[in-house]
Amino acid sequence: GAVVSQHPSWVICKSGTSVKIECRSLDFQATTMFWYRQFPKQSLMLMATSNEGSKATYEQGVEKDKFLINHASLTLSTLTVTSAHPEDSSFYICSAIHGGNRNEQFFGPGTRLTVL
Amino acid sequence: AQKITQTQPGMFVQEKEAVTLDCTYDTSDPSYGLFWYKQPSSGEMIFLIYQGSYDQQNATEGRYSLNFQKARKSANLVISASQLGDSAMYFCAMREGLGSQGNLIFGKGTKLSVKP
Repeated sequence: GAVVSQHPSWVICKSGTSVKIECRSLDFQATTMFWYRQFPKQSLMLMATSNEGSKATYEQGVEKDKFLINHASLTLSTLTVTSAHPEDSSFYICSAIHGGNRNEQFFGPGTRLTVL
Repeated sequence: AQKITQTQPGMFVQEKEAVTLDCTYDTSDPSYGLFWYKQPSSGEMIFLIYQGSYDQQNATEGRYSLNFQKARKSANLVISASQLGDSAMYFCAMREGLGSQGNLIFGKGTKLSVKP
């Protein structure tokens, strides 16, 4: 299947710092990427839809000024958690739609963020 | 109302036996796609199987099959000949609108444990 990578796979940072997470589609172009957040033992919660060349669409309750999304190219979307706090600690997963009949959605391996 | 319902928080199955993971969905859109993903402890989301709303036959992928009962709005995942490596979280998901690039809506997941 198609490959989506994320970097870093884990990060520990101090409260108040900003953290950037990259999501790349390695062998296909993705006009649309999604950013999810997953708390322990819970399901994936969609944070925002990232569209190449335009502003991201955020889900209700997600602060766009705190979670900055940039989809600068057809293979790269970034999520920046600004002024991170301990409650932002979570597992962040990106995904991209490969296209085709099923519009199959491939997921990155996730980034575990721990804010001290 | 929940769009995807997985009523089994956890399931146990003996190695080499078959297991069914339940999933019901709710949508008024006649066109939709149903997906099952596996999430091992490493966190990556692994695509297992897909069923389109107009597909006449139940989808099968190796040891995975999807018991699609459209009138009952259920899309249960059947894993045959369970293996120890099948132990993981399993998520049922739906995308409304075939051919759309909308996001997946996830259920809360079922934790499957395979006993030796």
